[in-house]
Amino acid sequence: GAVVSQHPSRVICKSGTSVKIECRSLDFQATTMFWYRQFPKKSLMLMATSNEGSKATYEQGVEKDKFLINHASLTLSTLTVTSAHPEDSSFYICSARDFGAGVYNEQFFGPGTRLTVL
Amino acid sequence: TQLLEQSPQFLSIQEGENLTVYCNSSSVFSSLQWYRQEPGEGPVLLVTVVTGGEVKKLKRLTFQFGDARKDSSLHITAAQPGDTGLYLCAITTHAGGTSYGKLTFGQGTILTVHP
Repeated sequence: GAVVSQHPSRVICKSGTSVKIECRSLDFQATTMFWYRQFPKKSLMLMATSNEGSKATYEQGVEKDKFLINHASLTLSTLTVTSAHPEDSSFYICSARDFGAGVYNEQFFGPGTRLTVL
Repeated sequence: TQLLEQSPQFLSIQEGENLTVYCNSSSVFSSLQWYRQEPGEGPVLLVTVVTGGEVKKLKRLTFQFGDARKDSSLHITAAQPGDTGLYLCAITTHAGGTSYGKLTFGQGTILTVHP
């Protein structure tokens, strides 16, 4: 099956620093990747849609200057949390849609990155 | 308003019991997906249902898509501690003019199965 990896799995940083999270599709090409945020015991909230070679599309209420997304290749998207603050602490998950996916839009999720901002 | 209403939000049962999780909306879906997520991991796709009235089985899990394609249910028979996790239903919504589809998730059901 399709595999999506994320790196790092956990990161602890000081307030004010920036953190980059990588999302890779390992065995398929992903023209579209999605970034989600998840709070404890809650569902996933879509933050933005990342399209290879173009600007990301952000959901309402998500600060694009705060959460920088780059989708430089068909297998890699990155999310950079800039000037992180404790309220940015969360579980960040990416997903990737197979370029050859059918109409059912099945997405494959990464294992998530736990960000803790001190 | 929530596009997808998932219930119950919490379910705590004993090993061997049966349970059902519901996912409802006022809109018609072309397809609906069920995911399971364990703590500290990403969601894993369990099934996609696409045809009204469709029933799919995955071992002890039975998934049903309503005839009108507005609702779905997940039934687990003889639950085991290994079934513990967050269960999520999701549908695809398309932003106007785009070719990709975004997943919209229900609120999730946290299932705990006690030995």
